[in-house]
Amino acid sequence: QVQMVESGGGVVQPGTSLRLSCAASGFTFSSYTLHWVRQAPGKGLEWVAVMSPDGRKIYYADSVKGRFTISRVNSENTQSLQMNSLRAEDTALYYCARQTYGDYWFFDLWGRGTLVTVSS
Amino acid sequence: DIQMTQSPSTLSASVGDRVTITCRASQSVSSLLAWYQQKPGKAPKLLIYKASSLEGGVPSRFSGSGSGTEFTLTISSLQPDDSATYFCQQFSSSPTFGQGTKLEIK
Repeated sequence: QVQMVESGGGVVQPGTSLRLSCAASGFTFSSYTLHWVRQAPGKGLEWVAVMSPDGRKIYYADSVKGRFTISRVNSENTQSLQMNSLRAEDTALYYCARQTYGDYWFFDLWGRGTLVTVSS
Repeated sequence: DIQMTQSPSTLSASVGDRVTITCRASQSVSSLLAWYQQKPGKAPKLLIYKASSLEGGVPSRFSGSGSGTEFTLTISSLQPDDSATYFCQQFSSSPTFGQGTKLEIK
């Protein structure tokens, strides 16, 4: 079954860290560019980060640059998002998303998301 | 960042109705726009890409049109299963999304 499943969300205090994971199955993981997208409660979707299939190209949204780190292990079909120095405004449902073939940044497969709540 | 504005925010329609959702970009995105459907607790689903290309497996009652700054998603004959939130996304530059349109079936 072609799917991606996020995990690792939870409730954390401001200034702390959290690591999200995304486990993929049913497709050739190492061939795809992967993204993280988040949705704050009651808000629209916000693109967060992207990593190329070989891990060499990485880009971040300005809102997370310097605090979040995207990574992947192709041999394990997993990608991760290390989130440091968390802020209340990072509270959101975090999705991993697969970029369709080619250079266009739209997404043909999403997970169901994992919820991160940053609160004291 | 390119701002995406959808209208309406909520929409109520009857089975069989023709439904149109509009998405406007703050600057031209050419045809680099996608539409997604999301149901509560489910992963978003790609419907339309490059403004008017139908993703495989998506019913033909869904269609997209537009270019530049104004785009529409049309459902030609609304079905009960179409109750969901729909959102647009531009990929001309760093991706940005509309705020979503919640479609309810009367």
